[in-house]
Amino acid sequence: KNEVEQSPQNLTAQEGEFITINCSYSVGISALHWLQQHPGGGIVSLFMLSSGKKKHGRLIATINIQEKHSSLHITASHPRDSAVYICAVRIQGGSEKLVFGKGTKLTVNP
Amino acid sequence: DAGVIQSPRHEVTEMGQEVTLRCKPISGHNSLFWYRQTMMRGLELLIYFNNNVPIDDSGMPEDRFSAKMPNASFSTLKIQPSEPRDSAVYFCASSLSGVREKLFFGSGTQLSVL
Repeated sequence: KNEVEQSPQNLTAQEGEFITINCSYSVGISALHWLQQHPGGGIVSLFMLSSGKKKHGRLIATINIQEKHSSLHITASHPRDSAVYICAVRIQGGSEKLVFGKGTKLTVNP
Repeated sequence: DAGVIQSPRHEVTEMGQEVTLRCKPISGHNSLFWYRQTMMRGLELLIYFNNNVPIDDSGMPEDRFSAKMPNASFSTLKIQPSEPRDSAVYFCASSLSGVREKLFFGSGTQLSVL
């Protein structure tokens, strides 16, 4: 079983819809990252969280440390949001090695 | 700042040849990471440098892989000799302080070993 599980694996939405991508992990962590990988392959870091909630534009990331769960929300989705979204965690007391989820492929249709 | 700069963007080589990938981190960042991404295994850490010193190289697959960071503005990842199973996208990333800070990724090098 992977230490980091993402759901869903694939998600198709219509433009304007509210999107939620989930990340669950089975170990204690000290940091969680949400990354975005566009079809061209480049990776952009969206958020780094250790507690609570962060917001940037139409993106919101939350984390519940007790429940070992994080969500990435996209409001008013747009076709340009189409990408693979990857959750990654830094294990508590561990090294600087991130454990990556397998990613959620999001397609937003116009 | 131009961000993390990697070169080349694409590399096609024949099995047995030496391959050198290059990375220039963001100025002022003291942490540098080399990652490899494949369809089968996703993203994996190969090696992590802090202040130019290799801290964790447990992800380096075998002795054919080596990485150096001679100064704060340059790092190389070398594969010698290369094999077809090394075909992947190799990303360099930097941050202010390990993975407790936001990571900034380069555009990646798409390596194909024939």
